[in-house]
Amino acid sequence: DIQMTQSPSTLSASVGDRVTITCRASQTISIWLAWYQQKPGQSPKLLIYKASSLETGVPTRFTGSGSGTEFTLTISSLQPEDFATYYCQQYNSYSPTFGQGTKVEIK
Amino acid sequence: EVQLVESGGGLVQPGGSLRLSCIASGLTFGSHWMSWVRQAPGKGLEWVATIKQDASEKYYVDSVVGRFTISRDNANNSLYLQMNNLRGEDTGVYYCASATFGEFPFDYWGQGTLVTVSS
Repeated sequence: DIQMTQSPSTLSASVGDRVTITCRASQTISIWLAWYQQKPGQSPKLLIYKASSLETGVPTRFTGSGSGTEFTLTISSLQPEDFATYYCQQYNSYSPTFGQGTKVEIK
Repeated sequence: EVQLVESGGGLVQPGGSLRLSCIASGLTFGSHWMSWVRQAPGKGLEWVATIKQDASEKYYVDSVVGRFTISRDNANNSLYLQMNNLRGEDTGVYYCASATFGEFPFDYWGQGTLVTVSS
């Protein structure tokens, strides 16, 4: 199975900050990577697919980049509603795997 | 508006069985690959199983092979997960999820149903 490693595990930031989360795959996955946001008590929400494509309705402050084994999710200006846990997911095969999550906390 | 509503969770003893259901509305159910994803308490997301539109292909995470079966009823917009020989590590919230373009990623999720395996 392809292992996905996110860093950092926890991130403390302030409203207005630029935030970057990294996701590394244990083997190349081309651009078959998605990012999700999950708030406490809620189901995950798709933000980005195919590494850099923004899901309909997601604010443009969210951007994804990367290919191969290294990917990033960037929030250009953190908003109060962005404090949540973020997961990457590879779907290069019929055995998709998630990263362990990155919790974005209020500084 | 797309809605996925799960049911069937509960408390079960180790070795027991449960059948989860997911009823979909607001989408052409028979046109979508469907999946189950779980989340242990306080932990991350884990993909469990996926089924093709016509049920001709099914895929499972290794840890549930031989114990869980995914199925669907397109006439009733329903997805199922039969879980047998349950273990403590199967405890968690089980989400029903759909994909609009291909098998993945998951663009619609249900609210989840909690499965607790404990004696």
